[in-house]
Amino acid sequence: RKEVEQDPGPFNVPEGATVAFNCTYSNSASQSFFWYRQDCRKEPKLLMSVYSSGNEDGRFTAQLNRASQYISLLIRDSKLSDSATYLCVVTRRGSYIPTFGRGTSLIVHP
Amino acid sequence: GAGVSQSPSNKVTEKGKDVELRCDPISGHTALYWYRQSLGQGLEFLIYFQGNSAPDKSGLPSDRFSAERTGGSVSTLTIQRTQQEDSAVYLCASSPSTGTNEKLFFGSGTQLSVL
Repeated sequence: RKEVEQDPGPFNVPEGATVAFNCTYSNSASQSFFWYRQDCRKEPKLLMSVYSSGNEDGRFTAQLNRASQYISLLIRDSKLSDSATYLCVVTRRGSYIPTFGRGTSLIVHP
Repeated sequence: GAGVSQSPSNKVTEKGKDVELRCDPISGHTALYWYRQSLGQGLEFLIYFQGNSAPDKSGLPSDRFSAERTGGSVSTLTIQRTQQEDSAVYLCASSPSTGTNEKLFFGSGTQLSVL
């Protein structure tokens, strides 16, 4: 089982839709969680950290479920510019190496 | 510069040749990472530097791969006797410190093509 797993998609949604992605992680000792965004042929860029209590940044909401070992990303009121691959990133306790999921592709269409 | 700088942006080489990829991290960032990404795949960890030392090089796929960092700044990833399966985008990232909750800042990568 991979350490970080994501549904590759693509998720194809119309503008204005709400879409959610999940990411599961296998190591219960994981302690740091992030969502990165990667545009086609570009480098990954940090989208947001994921905190135990959940956190929101504008249209984006991230949540962590430690009991079920998954994190989620919710995007409300999708924009065309949200089209990208969303990477889930997890770091195990005591490790300095962030592990990346393969990403979930989102396509927002008019 | 303001961000992580990588050079060259593209490198085409013949099988069996050696290549050097360079990464110039954000000034003051002590942690530096090399990842690679093959087409349609996720990021594969290669090596991590803290200052000039590499406490974790577990991701290097073979002894043809090596990396060094000097002056706590610039890092070079060297691939000897390149093979076609080495073709990928090589991404460098830096981070401000050694905490396990640190965010990574990526360079734009080097696209390596081995013919």
